[in-house]
Amino acid sequence: AQKITQTQPGMFVQEKEAVTLDCTYDTSDPSYGLFWYKQPSSGEMIFLIYQGSYDQQNATEGRYSLNFQKARKSANLVISASQLGDSAMYFCAMRERNAGNMLTFGGGTRLMVKP
Amino acid sequence: ETGVTQSPTHLIKTRGQQVTLRCSSQSGHNTVSWYQQALGQGPQFIFQYYREEENGRGNFPPRFSGLQFPNYSSELNVNALELDDSALYLCASSLEGGSGKNIQYFGAGTRLSVL
Repeated sequence: AQKITQTQPGMFVQEKEAVTLDCTYDTSDPSYGLFWYKQPSSGEMIFLIYQGSYDQQNATEGRYSLNFQKARKSANLVISASQLGDSAMYFCAMRERNAGNMLTFGGGTRLMVKP
Repeated sequence: ETGVTQSPTHLIKTRGQQVTLRCSSQSGHNTVSWYQQALGQGPQFIFQYYREEENGRGNFPPRFSGLQFPNYSSELNVNALELDDSALYLCASSLEGGSGKNIQYFGAGTRLSVL
């Protein structure tokens, strides 16, 4: 089974609107971390936000927030007030305590912001 | 800017050749991880180096090898190149051993083309 699933290959959003990128994960490890990265066409993976499995509150970083639903094993990224510069690939990733520091990535979602 | 630099940015090799990719980690980080990202896919973990020792390996053959130096910079070596080795190779640095989130910060990658 896929450890990280991103079901939206591509999405459009109107500038200044909010958008949600979906991520579901599969693990039996009780201790894990979930990450979102942004990858522009330049190739660099830019860290956006982190959620630990034991964190009681959903993570927020500026315009980024993570909708963490542990029982459903989902960790959706919400981007508020989209900007043209948000157009990029977005990857969800997981690190499991029992797997060391290895990140397992999903297949990504391409977000396109329309002016 | 993450402070993680990779060289070269692009490389073209022929099948059967050997290649060395280099990575300078962010100041203060002690761990380097390498990932392979094929076109249209999420990154796949190759291996990680901590204190100059390999500290975890993904599902890659032994012809993928690495080094970490005392200044925590790292090299990825690939022998007997195959066409399927064509990909973006990403290096990530992090600070391991603390109680933090161990965020991995990525460089811009080296794009390798094998002809």
